[in-house]
Amino acid sequence: DIQMTQSPSFLSASVGDSVTITCRASQPIRTWLGWYQQRPGKAPKLLIYAASGLQSGVPSRFSGSGSGTDFTLTISSLQPEDFATYFCQQANRFPITFGQGTRLEIK
Amino acid sequence: QVQLVESGGGVVQPGGSLRLSCAASGFPFSNYAIYWVRQAPGKGLEWVAFTSNGGRNENYADSVRGRFTISRDTSKSTVYLQMSSLRAEDTAVYYCARDRDYGSGSYFSEYWGQGTLVTVSS
Repeated sequence: DIQMTQSPSFLSASVGDSVTITCRASQPIRTWLGWYQQRPGKAPKLLIYAASGLQSGVPSRFSGSGSGTDFTLTISSLQPEDFATYFCQQANRFPITFGQGTRLEIK
Repeated sequence: QVQLVESGGGVVQPGGSLRLSCAASGFPFSNYAIYWVRQAPGKGLEWVAFTSNGGRNENYADSVRGRFTISRDTSKSTVYLQMSSLRAEDTAVYYCARDRDYGSGSYFSEYWGQGTLVTVSS
């Protein structure tokens, strides 16, 4: 199975800050990487697909990059609604696997 | 608009069975892969099962293989997850999700239901 490791697990930032979350795959997955946002009590929401594709309706302050084993999600100019938990997910092969999550909290 | 509505969750004893349903609407049901993803209380996301757009292909997480079965009924636009030999560690909110891409799919989940809670406890 492909293991997905996110860092950091917890991140504290202020409104207006820019933050970066990283995700590392245990083996190369080309660009088969997605990022999801989950707010408490809600279903996950797809933000980024194929490493850098911005999902329709997602603000442009969200961006993704990377290929192979190392990926990043960057959120520029944090807004209050961005404080949530973020998960990466590999879509290269079954079993589909997720990172453990990064909780982004307001400083 | 695309909607996925899960139902069938509840409390079940260890070793018991439960069938979850995911009623889909707002898109051509037969043309999209569907997933079940679960989340134990306070934990991360775990992919559980996959059914391809035409229903010919399935895949399961090792943790549920042999105990869970995914199926789809095109006439009802509904996907099911039959769960048996349930264990305490199966306790979670179960989400169904639709693939982002038409056809064979991308394995990215674009639309999600609200989730249904399964609690395995004596």
